[in-house]
Amino acid sequence: GQNIDQPTEMTATEGAIVQINCTYQTSGFNGLFWYQQHAGEAPTFLSYNVLDGLEEKGRFSSFLSRSKGYSYLLLKELQMKDSASYLCAPKKNTPLVFGKGTRLSVIA
Amino acid sequence: GAVVSQHPSRVICKSGTSVKIECRSLDFQATTMFWYRQFPKQSLMLMATSNEGSKATYEQGVEKDKFLINHASLTLSTLTVTSAHPEDSSFYICSAYRDSNQPQHFGDGTRLSIL
Repeated sequence: GQNIDQPTEMTATEGAIVQINCTYQTSGFNGLFWYQQHAGEAPTFLSYNVLDGLEEKGRFSSFLSRSKGYSYLLLKELQMKDSASYLCAPKKNTPLVFGKGTRLSVIA
Repeated sequence: GAVVSQHPSRVICKSGTSVKIECRSLDFQATTMFWYRQFPKQSLMLMATSNEGSKATYEQGVEKDKFLINHASLTLSTLTVTSAHPEDSSFYICSAYRDSNQPQHFGDGTRLSIL
């Protein structure tokens, strides 16, 4: 199985930096996706890490350590609109399987 | 812009009605599409994999006679919820990728409410 582990909820202040961690156990690992899902909406793609290391894309960065089965999503300069659920999804040769994700609340 | 289009976005109907949801890939051909369901505050649950030109593959616990999937072309998959009941009320979301090494993109989802 995937055994995806993320914190259930996080709260951070507008303008701050927040790191959302994800650990997973999966065989046949081919990379890891991060998606953002606002309440009542479908998920939108944020990042895809295949190799170890940090990939930066604007205010969002994603890190992967394959040997440790660990990833994190880093959100900088938080905005109110970043309040959403963030879903970590390890990729195998199958459709993506999601956990409940991390519900992030950005407060003023 | 949108990569996957899903229609309708919302359906409200009486118990016993059958409801069809369409999922289209825009500007690419998708031999495989995926259907998910999400209940409030729960995770996305994969229901089935839709295969163009062949039968869909259903996840354990999903009734294939209840949730009919047709993938008649390389850009269209449909999910029909037959004889829907209130417990079928949920958020249904389709997904597709350009190829297996690309991200899965999601339609906007269909919120189904059965009265």
